[in-house]
Amino acid sequence: QQQVKQSPQSLIVQKGGIPIINCAYENTAFDYFPWYQQFPGKGPALLIAIRPDVSEKKEGRFTISFNKSAKQFSLHIMDSQPGDSATYFCAATESGNTPLVFGKGTRLSVIA
Amino acid sequence: GAVVSQHPSRVICKSGTSVKIECRSLDFQATTMFWYRQFPKKSLMLMATSNEGSKATYEQGVEKDKFLINHASLTLSTLTVTSAHPEDSSFYICSANSGVLAFFGQGTRLTVV
Repeated sequence: QQQVKQSPQSLIVQKGGIPIINCAYENTAFDYFPWYQQFPGKGPALLIAIRPDVSEKKEGRFTISFNKSAKQFSLHIMDSQPGDSATYFCAATESGNTPLVFGKGTRLSVIA
Repeated sequence: GAVVSQHPSRVICKSGTSVKIECRSLDFQATTMFWYRQFPKKSLMLMATSNEGSKATYEQGVEKDKFLINHASLTLSTLTVTSAHPEDSSFYICSANSGVLAFFGQGTRLTVV
């Protein structure tokens, strides 16, 4: 049973566009929701994270929107650039030293 | 941010040999580290939770005798792939938590020939 569902699987946008990646979770005990960016051959890098007590968090061009009642959260990338082309993973976990549960990833391509 | 260093980044070994991968938290202590495996174009699959000073906890389907984990100090966990076979070829990634934030190593590309 997949605990974090991520969509779409792949996404192509033009430079300057706003790709949106969506995730949904099932476990109501999750209380920390990070997004990771991964380039080929590299480990995932923490991009931005949110807790369920806020509905939105913005860091630079990256914004997380969180809907606790719907158990959904999404990543928006403003003014996307070709350098943003990577695979993005949403994740969720319970606070403390528990492992992350990852979505299946979204491969984003930003074309000039 | 916190740094997790993983070594080596790439390794090629012969079938039947063992390979050790190191994961270090450079600027923080981690009582728990996690080991993941990632297949091409797939998500990260949790293999095991490494606990400092005690036995690792393995996920269902992961052979503990094949993937030996040692967490001897608060900054170092090692994963040893024993008697490696070509099907063990994969990208292995470790992570450690600094507070609630999880940081990942650079990953190790293992190729068994």
